[in-house]
Amino acid sequence: DVKVTQSSRYLVKRTGEKVFLECVQDMDHENMFWYRQDPGLGLRLIYFSYDVKMKEKGDIPEGYSVSREKKERFSLILESASTNQTSMYLCASPAPGTGPFSQPQHFGDGTRLSIL
Amino acid sequence: AQSVTQPDIHITVSEGASLELRCNYSYGATPYLFWYVQSPGQGLQLLLKYFSGDTLVQGIKGFEAEFKRSQSSFNLRKPSVHWSDAAEYFCAVWGRFGNEKLTFGTGTRLTIIP
Repeated sequence: DVKVTQSSRYLVKRTGEKVFLECVQDMDHENMFWYRQDPGLGLRLIYFSYDVKMKEKGDIPEGYSVSREKKERFSLILESASTNQTSMYLCASPAPGTGPFSQPQHFGDGTRLSIL
Repeated sequence: AQSVTQPDIHITVSEGASLELRCNYSYGATPYLFWYVQSPGQGLQLLLKYFSGDTLVQGIKGFEAEFKRSQSSFNLRKPSVHWSDAAEYFCAVWGRFGNEKLTFGTGTRLTIIP
């Protein structure tokens, strides 16, 4: 079965820390996405990657960066965590073989991040 | 730019009753349309999608959605809900042209009462 795995379900960090959120997909797909989910705001795209070492900003990239060194792994980095980055973070990847329709179809279970 | 509106923040339905969740979009042409479901503590799961063709789309878990161009709507329906359908539901739109990415609505939380 298709799987997108996020390394942590819950994470608590302090203001100013550098935080890494990891995501791994087993579908061999080029595209991977990072979203944050906040009540009343739905999901907002932070960054996405369409190939190894390739990345593109989404709607809210400020305060974040990403790393894609291997096809299966896409990391979200909070350079200096702030309290307004407390949120649920979701990683996603398209379904295998979807080609040009390769929008997110498989999601990880999310990482609930609290910044104190 | 594309946008999507889910006008109902929270809906409560009795088990066995029918369900309709509303979704309206704004886009200059016919977009690709999606419905996702998020169970508590889980990521999102794709329920169904519309790309073209038949405007009534069947999905998983007994859900269907109907694309109505004249109303710019893509409402989700289920004839008889089960307690396990309690979740949050997200409509999403993706423009066919340009460099648009998937845009999500703000979600509708569904509560099922016995």
